[in-house]
Amino acid sequence: NAGVTQTPKFQVLKTGQSMTLQCAQDMNHEYMSWYRQDPGMGLRLIHYSVGAGITDQGEVPNGYNVSRSTTEDFPLRLLSAAPSQTSVYFCASSRPSGGAYNEQFFGPGTRLTVL
Amino acid sequence: QKEVEQDPGPLSVPEGAIVSLNCTYSNSAFQYFMWYRQYSRKGPELLMYTYSSGNKEDGRFTAQVDKSSKYISLFIRDSQPSDSATYLCAMSPHASGGSYIPTFGRGTSLIVHP
Repeated sequence: NAGVTQTPKFQVLKTGQSMTLQCAQDMNHEYMSWYRQDPGMGLRLIHYSVGAGITDQGEVPNGYNVSRSTTEDFPLRLLSAAPSQTSVYFCASSRPSGGAYNEQFFGPGTRLTVL
Repeated sequence: QKEVEQDPGPLSVPEGAIVSLNCTYSNSAFQYFMWYRQYSRKGPELLMYTYSSGNKEDGRFTAQVDKSSKYISLFIRDSQPSDSATYLCAMSPHASGGSYIPTFGRGTSLIVHP
């Protein structure tokens, strides 16, 4: 199993450009999430999905869109990139375990710079 | 105030030292307490988890939860340079029928020098 894969690994955008960060998992996990990680800020949840066709906002959703048409894929779209969106983006997947803890399996991350 | 507070460090210790990493939280509904380890330029990976109060030991690592104080700790005995990483605490409530996305702390950067 490849686990959680993310593309691209690195990206440089100009202010105002749009782009899609790709995330895929091959573990048949129902839950998928997007986080951003900034120095001193830890992991902040952007959007998450509890199954195909179901998405919800996290802590910092503004400027980002998501959709979940399949179990495997959960792309994150930046509508109009801003320098404040310069960050490392992590995608994660998990399988709900009947009320128990929810282990997140993370991808390797995408480093995004917005000029 | 964030639900989960964690000092970002960095924490620098000599090889062989006992390391104590801590988080405090404000949400009394949290029941699951997890520690993730993140090496530089990698995604986090689950290290340990505990349910409710008490201790859990796994090799050189011990996770401790004090729900009365809303305080959790991760102890690393005989620390090694390979333990150098960022350690993130994460917490979630118990959910019947499903699971909550955990809430993460900011992470503490640990440096173990030879």
